[in-house]
Amino acid sequence: QSVLTQPPSVSGAPGQRVTISCTGSRSNIGAGYDVHWYQQLPGTAPKLLIYDDTDRPSGVPDRFSGSKSGTSASLAITGLQAEDEADYYCQSYDSSLRSVFGGGTKLTVL
Amino acid sequence: EVQLVQSGGGLVQPGGSLRLPCAASGFSFSTYSMNWVRQAPGKGLEWVSYISSSSSTIYYADSVKGRFTISRDNAKNSLYLQMNSLRAEDTAVYYCARVRSGIAGELDSWGQGTLVTVSS
Repeated sequence: QSVLTQPPSVSGAPGQRVTISCTGSRSNIGAGYDVHWYQQLPGTAPKLLIYDDTDRPSGVPDRFSGSKSGTSASLAITGLQAEDEADYYCQSYDSSLRSVFGGGTKLTVL
Repeated sequence: EVQLVQSGGGLVQPGGSLRLPCAASGFSFSTYSMNWVRQAPGKGLEWVSYISSSSSTIYYADSVKGRFTISRDNAKNSLYLQMNSLRAEDTAVYYCARVRSGIAGELDSWGQGTLVTVSS
């Protein structure tokens, strides 16, 4: 049972927009800690996608965006492409002195 | 180029020990905090441990506390995870990852991962 809750899977057709939610609590996201998002392609290490709720590292397309409100955060992907098919994880920090991850969401491009 | 190169994984019996190294290059290792994160086969990411740049602050996940020890050698640009009293549930790919800033900062660079299998 992950501290941050994500849907196990989402799907969309090429060109469409999908969102992935990440729900926490008052001890992590709701406490104001930043949310970060990672993309993990099959057989590879995770890659930073969004940091500090909304910021993109250089090289990440602006099709990827993040938002946060209250105890939840979301990752949006617009103009879906086949290469976006991957697992996505949210991460934050918890007042219990630990980093916490979501359970991960598998994105399928139809 | 920032690089984190891992080695040291393998098969170990339950109750055994293993030490995972992570060699850093391409950045000022001594100024960054580091994390270990693991991923059991077919499962999600699990945070394991955190160490600050000077080793003054160290945290562990409850699942490994008392069995795993994180350490670093800034002179050798290296991070380590000493794993003792290993259990089957410790079987996972272990990643070292750099924390960009602060204890709650994002993990902006990751090692390639090393597989640890605990089995008799």
